Amino acid sequence: DTAVSQTPKYLVTQMGNDKSIKCEQNLGHDTMYWYKQDSKKFLKIMFSYNNKELIINETVPNRFSPKSPDKAHLNLHINSLELGDSAVYFCASSQAAGGLYEQYFGPGTRLTVT
Amino acid sequence: AQKITQTQPGMFVQEKEAVTLDCTYDTSDQSYGLFWYKQPSSGEMIFLIYQGSYDEQNATEGRYSLNFQKARKSANLVISASQLGDSAMYFCAMREADSSYKLIFGSGTRLLVRP
Repeated sequence: DTAVSQTPKYLVTQMGNDKSIKCEQNLGHDTMYWYKQDSKKFLKIMFSYNNKELIINETVPNRFSPKSPDKAHLNLHINSLELGDSAVYFCASSQAAGGLYEQYFGPGTRLTVT
Repeated sequence: AQKITQTQPGMFVQEKEAVTLDCTYDTSDQSYGLFWYKQPSSGEMIFLIYQGSYDEQNATEGRYSLNFQKARKSANLVISASQLGDSAMYFCAMREADSSYKLIFGSGTRLLVRP
């Protein structure tokens, strides 16, 4: 029943490690997104994919690499984790990239880098 | 450049009363959408309501309504008959209908409903 799901929900790791967060949507949407919410609750777009094609890359360090194997999945891989990467990462999806469709968010993944 | 401003970091409201959460925006586009999301303490982001820039009527969804004043570039969220479960962070967001597919979020307003 879950529309947008993310795994894991919590991720605690040490600096320098590489980790991945997975996202899946069962809404049949064409477009998926990754957002980062910092400790002050500020939300910022990181990436967006439309039908497996990257359409937004918001000056995110190249340690972050999104991958979309199909339009229902958008995974986020992070290399060489840093303390500043600690945040909540949200995956979202919308019906299409064009137009003004609302975005539906996953439950978030709280990443803590120690 | 797109910008969303929420000037109320925190607000209180008495249960069963109405409350207005402010949001102003800045855009040079004629076609855009305004969204409100709720984030309870459990952390998920819940879509509440949408207003298109060309919509002549204010959007309503149950107890939520959007007071859209285009000339003032404001899109305030009104919650009627507040309930304890309305206590949460509320985010205003905007999306322009050009090649920019992203949502730009405001800094949020934390609403606390008092019994």
